[in-house]
Amino acid sequence: AQSVSQHNHHVILSEAASLELGCNYSYGGTVNLFWYVQYPGQHLQLLLKYFSGDPLVKGIKGFEAEFIKSKFSFNLRKPSVQWSDTAEYFCAIGGSYIPTFGRGTSLIVHP
Amino acid sequence: SAVISQKPSRDICQRGTSLTIQCQVDSQVTMMFWYRQQPGQSLTLIATANQGSEATYESGFVIDKFPISRPNLTFSTLTVSNMSPEDSSIYLCSAQGYRDTEAFFGQGTRLTVV
Repeated sequence: AQSVSQHNHHVILSEAASLELGCNYSYGGTVNLFWYVQYPGQHLQLLLKYFSGDPLVKGIKGFEAEFIKSKFSFNLRKPSVQWSDTAEYFCAIGGSYIPTFGRGTSLIVHP
Repeated sequence: SAVISQKPSRDICQRGTSLTIQCQVDSQVTMMFWYRQQPGQSLTLIATANQGSEATYESGFVIDKFPISRPNLTFSTLTVSNMSPEDSSIYLCSAQGYRDTEAFFGQGTRLTVV
């Protein structure tokens, strides 16, 4: 069975601070990894994804994530957050045909 | 990509009644899923909607409580039956082309049972 663990459930930052959200997964086979974002009042949308190749992937709005296979991790990073990054962030894996989501991290960015 | 329209966006229902949520995708997709999302919780998969056959339910969810239809590749419905306040939640429709593609989501249905 596959599982996803997000370590930070609530994160509060000031604008321009750096962000790193942890994500660890458990799955025995080849995985596809995703970060989704849900802005207030909006639907879930893809932030970035990793299928293969360069383990450092870049997504929209300056976000990036690094796949570290030895650590079973796929942490999300952004060097300088903005107020508009306030949202819920979900890590997900797609090892089997059904994606499995982490619990989510609520990020609040103060202006 | 796929655009998913889900309705209603929200509803307040009396306990003991049923609500049917509709999900329309603008393109043919291989898989459609229904999730429940409660505040501070992860997305919990209710079932996989199978086209032309009975849905595949996850542990803890049963067809009598959450009947699902998928008459074609672009449309599915989820019914929450005999509702109780514990069913108050956000219900999400999701679709994807295949296992190695991203999932797309509807805007969700916020259900409150009183």
